Amino acid sequence: QVQLQQSGPGLVKPSQTLSLTCGISGDTVSNDNAAWNWIRQSPSRGLEWLGRTYSRSQWYHEYALSFKSRITINPDTSKNQFSLHLNSVTPDDAAVYYCARGLVLTGLGFDCWGQGTLVTVSS
Amino acid sequence: EIVLTQSPGTLSLSPGERATLSCRASQIVSSKYLAWYQQRPGQAPRLLIYGASSRATGIPDRFSGSGSGTDFTLIINRLEPEDSAVYYCQQDGSSFGGGTKVEIK
Repeated sequence: QVQLQQSGPGLVKPSQTLSLTCGISGDTVSNDNAAWNWIRQSPSRGLEWLGRTYSRSQWYHEYALSFKSRITINPDTSKNQFSLHLNSVTPDDAAVYYCARGLVLTGLGFDCWGQGTLVTVSS
Repeated sequence: EIVLTQSPGTLSLSPGERATLSCRASQIVSSKYLAWYQQRPGQAPRLLIYGASSRATGIPDRFSGSGSGTDFTLIINRLEPEDSAVYYCQQDGSSFGGGTKVEIK
């Protein structure tokens, strides 16, 4: 059974970098049939897909246009996890952040989610 | 960027009734990449339907999806109290619709 375990701070100062990690058990970040995603959810913006990383003989990274200038999602094969780094945060970036697995089998639909991390942006 | 618009915003129905939820895309979406999720309060979303019409593992057959092009539908038959949730559509493993809240009277 696949499980995703999120870790990282719940409080980030304005203008700093939000960093979260998603540990994977029951699958590998290098799975050629999976994509590893970050999503966030806030009352004002609903569910927002931030981006994904996946391996198809080489690594690919895809980001939502709104975040492209300040986001990085990276795999860590040695620890079987992937990370989110969002730069220059503002109070608008406060949200619950989720990691999730998408499968080629499910048309990239997210069949497994992390537990969510509530991130507050405040000095 | 494809925008997904869901309607209605809220559905209030009684147990045993049928719920019909709509998801309309601003451009043609491949059916292969259209998914539906259920989100109960305090929980992460749960995959219900992928490929527009295939039920995910463990999803009862009361849930069915259909549609193509720009118009997709999720139907929930024989509503049960546990179906009270917000339902989202998603395209291409990326953008989500705004959600439809289903309330069971």
